[in-house]
Amino acid sequence: EIVLTQSPGTLSLSPGERATLSCRASQSVKSTYLAWYQQKPGQAPRLLIYGASSRATGIPDRFSGSGSGTDFTLTISRLEPEDFAVYYCQQYGTSPTWTFGQGTKVEIK
Amino acid sequence: QVQLQESGPGLVKPSETLSLTCAVSGYSISSGYFWGWIRQPPGKGLEWIGNIFHTGSIYYNPSLKSRLTISVDTSNNHFSLILRSVTAADTAVYYCARAAAYVDSWGQGTLVIVSS
Repeated sequence: EIVLTQSPGTLSLSPGERATLSCRASQSVKSTYLAWYQQKPGQAPRLLIYGASSRATGIPDRFSGSGSGTDFTLTISRLEPEDFAVYYCQQYGTSPTWTFGQGTKVEIK
Repeated sequence: QVQLQESGPGLVKPSETLSLTCAVSGYSISSGYFWGWIRQPPGKGLEWIGNIFHTGSIYYNPSLKSRLTISVDTSNNHFSLILRSVTAADTAVYYCARAAAYVDSWGQGTLVIVSS
């Protein structure tokens, strides 16, 4: 079973700053099968990135994903007030199974 | 545009059975995709529960498999979750979802509390 570890647990930044979120897998993950989600309080998660680097429909281009193998990154180039939320990575594995990271909270500094 | 809506009791007693249904509109379940369940305990992260493929193949989280049944009713375009012998650890918001390698559509979620 692949374990996804996200870091940091909490990221304290100001609007306009750049956010870099990490997702590390315990085994290699096919880039096609790595996704990122945003979740705000009281809401269901929203798909941001799929295939490690493809933005979902309607997602602003300040969100970008990169990485391969065991190390993946979600970057928010300039934080907008609505970007403060919790972010999860997720991988699709054999069997098939779906696994989520534990989340990174991006909070206002 | 596909829409998913969970329904079921919000309160279940310990040792009893949790049953939820997800009604799908805007897309036929039998046309494709995985259809499944994800839960989130209060203040915690997301946990995949299990999925059913449009062909009927079923995939369960190994940690829940012994207590879990997921089924689909294509004639009414909905799918269901049954979790037996619940404990307080099963208290969570339960989301139904449409998935491929990633989840592209989520229900709004329903809070289920396990308590006597």
